[in-house]
Amino acid sequence: DVKVTQSSRYLVKRTGEKVFLECVQDMDHENMFWYRQDPGLGLRLIYFSYDVKMKEKGDIPEGYSVSREKKERFSLILESASTNQTSMYLCASSDWTGDNSPLHFGNGTRLTVT
Amino acid sequence: RKEVEQDPGPFNVPEGATVAFNCTYSNSASQSFFWYRQDCRKEPKLLMSVYSSGNEDGRFTAQLNRASQYISLLIRDSKLSDSATYLCVVTPNAGNMLTFGGGTRLMVKP
Repeated sequence: DVKVTQSSRYLVKRTGEKVFLECVQDMDHENMFWYRQDPGLGLRLIYFSYDVKMKEKGDIPEGYSVSREKKERFSLILESASTNQTSMYLCASSDWTGDNSPLHFGNGTRLTVT
Repeated sequence: RKEVEQDPGPFNVPEGATVAFNCTYSNSASQSFFWYRQDCRKEPKLLMSVYSSGNEDGRFTAQLNRASQYISLLIRDSKLSDSATYLCVVTPNAGNMLTFGGGTRLMVKP
């Protein structure tokens, strides 16, 4: 079974802090993604990566950056946390195997910025 | 218009009922389709892929209508444990960004 592990289940940070959300997958997947999920807005893609040291902006990259130094690890960085970044953050990975490559999600990090 | 749209529900059905959800998508180039299930405060998990010819997995049947650009999920003989939010997902082609619908909430009551 694919395992996607997010380092923290719950996190509380202050406005202006730099926040790191870590995600590790153990299936040698090429693709990794960061989403946030908010009530009424569904899942929105922040950033994704198809390879080591490669990153692409998703739909809502503002206020975020990412790092993929190793294939198995994809980090989401909030440079200066703000209250509107309070959300559930979901990391996911998928293999590059052609059509029908589903996402495998981590169990999420619920971030509260005060 | 949103790229992927779902009726948010909730759909309240009694145990044993048959219930169907639709999901419409706007990008006619979409190639891959999935249904995910998300329980309250948990991550989404893949329920089933949706194939062009339609496919069935136990009580669940997924269908794709390319002409009208929608996919559907049919659940027969609903169980209490089917209560969850069902997310449809489409992607233009392999490996590209998957686009999620907002989810349809199902509540199965005794």
